[in-house]
Amino acid sequence: DAKTTQPPSMDCAEGRAANLPCNHSTISGNEYVYWYRQIHSQGPQYIIHGLKNNETNEMASLIITEDRKSSTLILPHATLRDTAVYYCIVPPLEAAGNKLTFGGGTRVLVKP
Amino acid sequence: DTGVSQDPRHKITKRGQNVTFRCDPISEHNRLYWYRQTLGQGPEFLTYFQNEAQLEKSRLLSDRFSAERPKGSFSTLEIQRTEQGDSAMYLCASSLKQGTNEKLFFGSGTQLSVL
Repeated sequence: DAKTTQPPSMDCAEGRAANLPCNHSTISGNEYVYWYRQIHSQGPQYIIHGLKNNETNEMASLIITEDRKSSTLILPHATLRDTAVYYCIVPPLEAAGNKLTFGGGTRVLVKP
Repeated sequence: DTGVSQDPRHKITKRGQNVTFRCDPISEHNRLYWYRQTLGQGPEFLTYFQNEAQLEKSRLLSDRFSAERPKGSFSTLEIQRTEQGDSAMYLCASSLKQGTNEKLFFGSGTQLSVL
């Protein structure tokens, strides 16, 4: 599996953008970057994924560097409900199965 | 609500007892996963099914654990002779693989406490 490195925690002010970095320097050419988050007492929730190009959906934007060795998840206007642990994951390309390896993630605290 | 249901939400049992958890995935999803999560850690993969076939099991899944998905719909995870170390959140997820992309939808989990 491509190893990912994330800061253990970060704070963000409500209403401001939250930029969550992730390093994945060993990613291979066809592996995708996925982001999930886990709000307290809930199961993980899919946010977004990408290969090379930047991606945006209703939850967030994903910026992937040209060399694909790092990415940034952007929550454009953080709310208190965005307080969660955010996981950056690079699942291996396999013939079957998408075994997500959850590392420590980044614990994001959105403050009023 | 992701559409993946798990039952029960909480289970307290005594050491040595057997427990069974149920997962109902999103109906059109052909893949189903079980994960385990202990306090302060990220979820760890246990096993997964494609339709009714169990295609992979983690080394974390000891002989006391068994999972089934008899008709390719709901799944059960049974733990026999529970131990205190089995205390954890057991998460189920389902997906519909499309090409190389696969988004997992997780349930809220079953919290197991072994006394």
